[in-house]
Amino acid sequence: GQNIDQPTEMTATEGAIVQINCTYQTSGFNGLFWYQQHAGEAPTFLSYNVLDGLEEKGRFSSFLSRSKGYSYLLLKELQMKDSASYLCAVFHTGGFKTIFGAGTRLFVKA
Amino acid sequence: DTGVSQNPRHKITKRGQNVTFRCDPISEHNRLYWYRQTLGQGPEFLTYFQNEAQLEKSRLLSDRFSAERPKGSFSTLEIQRTEQGDSAMYLCASVPTGTGGSGYTFGSGTRLTVV
Repeated sequence: GQNIDQPTEMTATEGAIVQINCTYQTSGFNGLFWYQQHAGEAPTFLSYNVLDGLEEKGRFSSFLSRSKGYSYLLLKELQMKDSASYLCAVFHTGGFKTIFGAGTRLFVKA
Repeated sequence: DTGVSQNPRHKITKRGQNVTFRCDPISEHNRLYWYRQTLGQGPEFLTYFQNEAQLEKSRLLSDRFSAERPKGSFSTLEIQRTEQGDSAMYLCASVPTGTGGSGYTFGSGTRLTVV
Protein backbone atom coordinates (compact mmCIF):
# COMPACT_ATOMS: atom_id res chain seq x y z
CA GLY A 1 0.00 0.00 0.00
CA GLN A 2 0.91 3.66 0.05
CA ASN A 3 1.07 6.15 2.88
CA ILE A 4 2.02 9.78 2.42
CA ASP A 5 2.30 12.11 5.40
CA GLN A 6 2.67 15.87 5.42
CA PRO A 7 1.67 18.54 7.94
CA THR A 8 -1.89 19.77 7.66
CA GLU A 9 -1.17 23.47 7.99
CA MET A 10 1.76 25.86 8.24
CA THR A 11 2.02 29.61 8.67
CA ALA A 12 4.94 31.78 7.59
CA THR A 13 5.73 35.44 7.13
CA GLU A 14 6.10 37.25 3.83
CA GLY A 15 9.75 37.32 2.75
CA ALA A 16 10.71 34.36 4.93
CA ILE A 17 11.69 30.79 4.05
CA VAL A 18 9.45 27.80 4.75
CA GLN A 19 10.12 24.07 4.46
CA ILE A 20 7.25 21.63 3.95
CA ASN A 21 8.15 18.05 4.79
CA CYS A 22 6.73 14.87 3.34
CA THR A 23 7.35 11.26 4.29
CA TYR A 24 6.11 8.35 2.28
CA GLN A 25 5.87 4.60 2.40
CA THR A 26 5.06 2.85 -0.81
CA SER A 27 5.41 -0.55 -2.37
CA GLY A 28 6.46 0.94 -5.68
CA PHE A 29 8.29 4.24 -6.04
CA ASN A 30 9.29 5.89 -9.28
CA GLY A 31 9.61 9.52 -8.28
CA LEU A 32 8.11 12.27 -6.16
CA PHE A 33 6.09 15.27 -7.26
CA TRP A 34 5.16 18.52 -5.59
CA TYR A 35 2.07 20.37 -6.78
CA GLN A 36 0.62 23.72 -5.76
CA GLN A 37 -3.13 24.15 -5.45
CA HIS A 38 -4.86 27.45 -4.80
CA ALA A 39 -8.30 27.31 -3.24
CA GLY A 40 -10.96 26.33 -5.77
CA GLU A 41 -8.42 25.67 -8.50
CA ALA A 42 -6.74 22.59 -9.99
CA PRO A 43 -3.27 21.51 -8.87
CA THR A 44 -0.32 22.79 -10.88
CA PHE A 45 3.00 21.00 -11.26
CA LEU A 46 5.95 22.40 -9.30
CA SER A 47 8.71 19.79 -9.27
CA TYR A 48 9.67 16.18 -9.80
CA ASN A 49 12.50 14.32 -8.04
CA VAL A 50 13.56 10.85 -9.07
CA LEU A 51 17.13 10.86 -7.76
CA ASP A 52 18.37 11.78 -4.30
CA GLY A 53 19.33 15.38 -3.81
CA LEU A 54 18.13 18.91 -4.23
CA GLU A 55 16.45 20.32 -7.33
CA GLU A 56 16.26 24.09 -7.49
CA LYS A 57 13.83 26.04 -9.61
CA GLY A 58 13.69 29.74 -8.89
CA ARG A 59 12.28 30.42 -5.43
CA PHE A 60 11.25 26.79 -5.04
CA SER A 61 13.52 23.83 -4.30
CA SER A 62 12.66 20.20 -3.69
CA PHE A 63 14.74 17.56 -1.94
CA LEU A 64 14.48 13.78 -2.00
CA SER A 65 16.01 10.98 0.06
CA ARG A 66 14.80 7.66 -1.29
CA SER A 67 16.46 5.63 1.47
CA LYS A 68 14.62 7.63 4.12
CA GLY A 69 11.34 7.95 2.25
CA TYR A 70 11.55 11.69 2.78
CA SER A 71 11.13 14.83 0.73
CA TYR A 72 10.76 18.51 1.39
CA LEU A 73 9.70 21.56 -0.57
CA LEU A 74 11.55 24.76 0.24
CA LEU A 75 9.98 28.09 -0.59
CA LYS A 76 12.17 31.18 -0.37
CA GLU A 77 11.28 34.89 -0.33
CA LEU A 78 7.69 34.06 0.44
CA GLN A 79 5.00 36.12 -1.24
CA MET A 80 1.35 36.46 -0.33
CA LYS A 81 0.43 34.63 -3.53
CA ASP A 82 2.25 31.55 -2.21
CA SER A 83 -0.67 30.98 0.16
CA ALA A 84 -2.01 27.67 -1.16
CA SER A 85 -2.04 23.95 -0.53
CA TYR A 86 1.10 22.03 -1.41
CA LEU A 87 0.59 18.43 -2.40
CA CYS A 88 3.28 15.79 -2.07
CA ALA A 89 2.67 12.94 -4.51
CA VAL A 90 4.37 9.66 -5.32
CA PHE A 91 4.66 8.49 -8.92
CA HIS A 92 3.85 4.83 -8.59
CA THR A 93 5.56 2.15 -10.62
CA GLY A 94 2.37 0.17 -10.84
CA GLY A 95 0.28 1.67 -13.58
CA PHE A 96 1.99 5.00 -14.08
CA LYS A 97 -0.35 6.69 -11.66
CA THR A 98 0.36 9.35 -9.07
CA ILE A 99 -0.79 8.97 -5.48
CA PHE A 100 -1.34 12.23 -3.62
CA GLY A 101 -0.98 13.16 0.02
CA ALA A 102 -3.66 15.22 1.73
CA GLY A 103 -1.68 18.43 1.21
CA THR A 104 -0.25 21.12 3.45
CA ARG A 105 -2.14 24.42 3.62
CA LEU A 106 0.35 27.26 3.76
CA PHE A 107 -0.74 30.66 5.04
CA VAL A 108 1.59 33.55 4.29
CA LYS A 109 1.02 36.56 6.52
CA ALA A 110 2.25 40.11 6.11
CA ASP B 1 -5.14 23.77 -27.74
CA THR B 2 -4.29 25.54 -24.55
CA GLY B 3 -4.92 22.93 -21.89
CA VAL B 4 -7.23 20.33 -20.45
CA SER B 5 -10.88 21.27 -20.69
CA GLN B 6 -13.63 19.91 -18.45
CA ASN B 7 -17.37 20.38 -18.72
CA PRO B 8 -19.50 21.27 -16.96
CA ARG B 9 -17.69 23.33 -14.32
CA HIS B 10 -20.46 22.80 -11.81
CA LYS B 11 -23.25 20.25 -11.56
CA ILE B 12 -26.01 20.06 -8.98
CA THR B 13 -28.11 16.94 -9.11
CA LYS B 14 -30.67 15.14 -7.00
CA ARG B 15 -29.75 11.93 -5.30
CA GLY B 16 -30.48 8.96 -7.53
CA GLN B 17 -29.95 10.81 -10.80
CA ASN B 18 -27.23 9.96 -13.33
CA VAL B 19 -24.56 12.47 -14.30
CA THR B 20 -21.92 12.55 -17.01
CA PHE B 21 -18.80 14.69 -17.15
CA ARG B 22 -16.56 15.34 -20.13
CA CYS B 23 -12.81 15.88 -20.36
CA ASP B 24 -10.89 17.06 -23.42
CA PRO B 25 -7.16 16.49 -22.84
CA ILE B 26 -4.24 18.18 -24.54
CA SER B 27 -4.37 16.72 -28.03
CA GLU B 28 -0.92 15.11 -28.11
CA HIS B 29 -1.26 13.55 -24.65
CA ASN B 30 -1.87 9.81 -24.76
CA ARG B 31 -2.57 9.21 -21.09
CA LEU B 32 -5.68 10.55 -19.39
CA TYR B 33 -6.52 10.30 -15.69
CA TRP B 34 -9.59 10.88 -13.57
CA TYR B 35 -9.28 11.89 -9.93
CA ARG B 36 -11.77 12.87 -7.24
CA GLN B 37 -11.01 15.44 -4.56
CA THR B 38 -12.96 16.34 -1.44
CA LEU B 39 -12.37 19.34 0.78
CA GLY B 40 -9.11 19.17 2.71
CA GLN B 41 -7.90 16.06 0.91
CA GLY B 42 -5.56 15.40 -1.96
CA PRO B 43 -6.83 14.07 -5.29
CA GLU B 44 -7.83 10.41 -5.15
CA PHE B 45 -7.08 8.22 -8.16
CA LEU B 46 -10.14 6.82 -9.97
CA THR B 47 -9.00 5.49 -13.34
CA TYR B 48 -6.71 6.08 -16.28
CA PHE B 49 -6.50 5.52 -20.03
CA GLN B 50 -3.65 4.95 -22.44
CA ASN B 51 -5.20 6.11 -25.70
CA GLU B 52 -8.62 4.39 -25.77
CA ALA B 53 -7.67 1.54 -23.41
CA GLN B 54 -8.73 1.80 -19.77
CA LEU B 55 -5.70 0.31 -18.04
CA GLU B 56 -6.58 0.65 -14.38
CA LYS B 57 -9.61 1.35 -12.26
CA SER B 58 -9.42 2.03 -8.55
CA ARG B 59 -10.88 -0.59 -6.25
CA LEU B 60 -12.52 2.32 -4.45
CA LEU B 61 -14.66 2.92 -7.50
CA SER B 62 -18.03 1.29 -7.23
CA ASP B 63 -19.91 -0.22 -10.15
CA ARG B 64 -21.93 2.98 -10.36
CA PHE B 65 -18.92 4.69 -11.92
CA SER B 66 -17.89 4.14 -15.53
CA ALA B 67 -15.47 5.94 -17.78
CA GLU B 68 -14.83 5.83 -21.50
CA ARG B 69 -12.40 7.25 -23.98
CA PRO B 70 -13.86 5.92 -27.23
CA LYS B 71 -11.46 7.34 -29.80
CA GLY B 72 -8.49 8.02 -27.61
CA SER B 73 -9.31 11.70 -27.48
CA PHE B 74 -11.97 13.06 -25.08
CA SER B 75 -13.19 11.03 -22.13
CA THR B 76 -16.45 10.82 -20.21
CA LEU B 77 -17.06 9.84 -16.59
CA GLU B 78 -20.56 8.72 -15.69
CA ILE B 79 -21.95 8.25 -12.22
CA GLN B 80 -25.22 6.34 -11.98
CA ARG B 81 -27.69 6.62 -9.11
CA THR B 82 -25.73 9.41 -7.46
CA GLU B 83 -25.38 9.48 -3.68
CA GLN B 84 -24.55 12.40 -1.39
CA GLY B 85 -21.12 10.88 -0.81
CA ASP B 86 -20.34 11.42 -4.48
CA SER B 87 -20.24 15.17 -3.91
CA ALA B 88 -16.69 16.20 -4.78
CA MET B 89 -14.49 17.87 -7.35
CA TYR B 90 -13.80 15.56 -10.28
CA LEU B 91 -10.47 16.31 -11.89
CA CYS B 92 -9.18 15.17 -15.25
CA ALA B 93 -5.48 15.25 -16.10
CA SER B 94 -3.40 14.30 -19.10
CA VAL B 95 0.27 13.59 -19.75
CA PRO B 96 2.30 12.53 -22.79
CA THR B 97 3.34 8.88 -22.88
CA GLY B 98 6.76 8.12 -21.45
CA THR B 99 7.22 11.44 -19.70
CA GLY B 100 6.11 10.66 -16.18
CA GLY B 101 8.43 13.28 -14.84
CA SER B 102 6.65 16.12 -16.56
CA GLY B 103 3.73 15.91 -14.19
CA TYR B 104 0.05 16.08 -14.92
CA THR B 105 -1.74 18.93 -16.61
CA PHE B 106 -5.03 19.16 -14.78
CA GLY B 107 -8.29 20.56 -16.02
CA SER B 108 -10.25 23.01 -13.87
CA GLY B 109 -12.46 20.23 -12.66
CA THR B 110 -16.18 19.57 -12.39
CA ARG B 111 -17.67 20.28 -8.98
CA LEU B 112 -20.53 17.88 -8.28
CA THR B 113 -23.08 18.55 -5.57
CA VAL B 114 -25.61 15.84 -4.84
CA VAL B 115 -28.65 17.10 -2.91
